[in-house]
Order: sequence, then structure tokens, then C-alpha cells
Amino acid sequence: DAGVTQSPTHLIKTRGQQVTLRCSPKSGHDTVSWYQQALGQGPQFIFQYYEEEERQRGNFPDRFSGHQFPNYSSELNVNALLLGDSALYLCASSLFKTSGQTGELFFGEGSRLTVL
Amino acid sequence: AQKITQTQPGMFVQEKEAVTLDCTYDTSDQSYGLFWYKQPSSGEMIFLIYQGSYDEQNATEGRYSLNFQKARKSANLVISASQLGDSAMYFCAMRDWTGNQFYFGTGTSLTVIP
Repeated sequence: DAGVTQSPTHLIKTRGQQVTLRCSPKSGHDTVSWYQQALGQGPQFIFQYYEEEERQRGNFPDRFSGHQFPNYSSELNVNALLLGDSALYLCASSLFKTSGQTGELFFGEGSRLTVL
Repeated sequence: AQKITQTQPGMFVQEKEAVTLDCTYDTSDQSYGLFWYKQPSSGEMIFLIYQGSYDEQNATEGRYSLNFQKARKSANLVISASQLGDSAMYFCAMRDWTGNQFYFGTGTSLTVIP
């Protein structure tokens, strides 16, 4: 049973560039959330995708955008990179419940982005 | 606004001893979920234990138990019989009433000493 897989694992960009991070959810999961984890901090919610739509968004600027594909995989795009965007980007998948409550999150190992 | 507070940046425990990691939370929601995750150096967040706000019994999962004190808004993690492999960062998290967003604390670094 494949868990959550993310790519790339590490990447280095320069200020102003754009980056795309990819995520395949755990088998059977239909919901993907993205989190940003700065060094020494806990993860912060960026947004969540379900049924190919953004369901909820955290306090992140429009430079952060995403997409979910029919196979439930997802991409996170960040435009006009800033030094402060350097962080570990974690993808988490879950199974949407009819109650509306997201179940426990299963995380990938993350994509570590360094902006120079 | 939701907030998770973990006041212990680092903790040390002797192998085979028990350790308690503290977590307090702040929310005005009646319905919420509390989670603990372990993050080894690989970066992956590993789910450990869950407690629902309406659960009257404290959650247990193997060597992990959650000491839930609703009136005090605390959800401490207890790890019994610590093992060397328990050395990692531990994060307390809360799922809000919408069920879509998780709020994480700043984490506690646990080191198990042989």
C-alpha cells in the first residue's frame, strides 16, 4: 500500500522564480492538503483540495496556488519566490467523510525548498 | 482563533522510562479533534493518536496515551517505556470544526538516552 509520495525531495531556486511541487495521495484517499513548515516551526496550512476544487485556504498570498487532478494527485505552485518561502512543503492526504470532518492526515516526507 | 501551545522545546528521557509531552489549546469551537504526530529527521509526519472533543475516555494506542483535560484545554501525550527510536520531534495538532484545517504547535524535541 503506497503512502503519500512527493517530488522533488529537494530543490533550490532563486528569488523571483516559480516552483511546482507534486503529490500523490495514499491509495484510497481523495483529499489533499498542503502545509508549509519553516525551520523550527510547526506546519502551517496552505490549502486543501477535494473533488478538484480548493475547499479551504489558510493565510497565504495568491502567489501560492494549487491543483488537483482526477486521479486525486495534486500540485502546489509558488510564483515570484521570496527568501521567506524557503521551507519544507508537506503534502497530506485524507479521506473525506460524509460528516464533513477530515479524518487523520497521512503525510509525505516533504519537498525541501531553498530560495537563494 | 485556534491556537496550539507546546511549551517544552526539548525533553530528555531515560530509555524504558515514561515521559509526558505537554500541549494546551485554545478554541471556541465545541467540536474539534486533537492529534499527536511524530516527525523523525526524515521529515515525514507520523500519526500517533487522536482524541475527539466529545470523547469521554482518554485515547490510547499501544505505548501512547493522551491525557485529555477538556476544562483545562490540555491534551498531553504520554509515552510509556521509551525506546531509542522514539527520539524525534513531536507535534500536537487540532482539527477545527470545519474539519479541513489542522493547527500545529511548535513541537517538542524528545531525546531518549540509553
